[in-house]
Amino acid sequence: DTGVSQDPRHKITKRGQNVTFRCDPISEHNRLYWYRQTLGQGPEFLTYFQNEAQLEKSRLLSDRFSAERPKGSFSTLEIQHTEQGDSAMYLCASSPTGTYGLDTQYFGPGTRLTVL
Amino acid sequence: AQKVTQAQTEISVVEKEDVTLDCVYETRDTTYYLFWYKQPPSGELVFLIRRNSFDEQNEISGRYSWNFQKSTSSFNFTITASQVVDSAVYFCALSEFNGSNDYKLSFGAGTTVTVRA
Repeated sequence: DTGVSQDPRHKITKRGQNVTFRCDPISEHNRLYWYRQTLGQGPEFLTYFQNEAQLEKSRLLSDRFSAERPKGSFSTLEIQHTEQGDSAMYLCASSPTGTYGLDTQYFGPGTRLTVL
Repeated sequence: AQKVTQAQTEISVVEKEDVTLDCVYETRDTTYYLFWYKQPPSGELVFLIRRNSFDEQNEISGRYSWNFQKSTSSFNFTITASQVVDSAVYFCALSEFNGSNDYKLSFGAGTTVTVRA
């Protein structure tokens, strides 16, 4: 069973450019999460999908951010007009639906974004 | 408000010493889950253990053990006989289940563990 994969692993871009990241969850996991992690901090929740439905977005997710999961499988996270403050590690996680609506989240290797 | 507090920012030990990581959490829910994750230098968060709020039984899994005490809202984690490969950042995380908030993890700031040979 393959784990969560993310692409690219590293992205360097200039301020103002758009970037898109991809996440492939563990197969048959219907929940997919995006987190952002800045240096020296723990991951912070950004958004969450159950199948193709985006059910919650954090206030951290400004209008420049958009996430999709069109067929309930892979997901993309796009940042438009990047700013230097967007520099961070973007982590994707997936989980099945557990008995109480919760199950362990398994994380991918992350995409490290550097905005110059 | 910070829901998960890891007061120790860095711990350095010599190989074979035991390492205990502290975690204090805050929640008003009666049903919640607590996790420990490990993040090695490669960056990927690796799931270690999970505990639900109804089970305070402390367990040992290999070299890992944990001490869950609801009375003090603590969920401490111990690595016995540490090895160099245990060097990583360790995160404690909380997931609350109140019917609408069961999907996201609240992480602490992490504790960096360095095991010296």
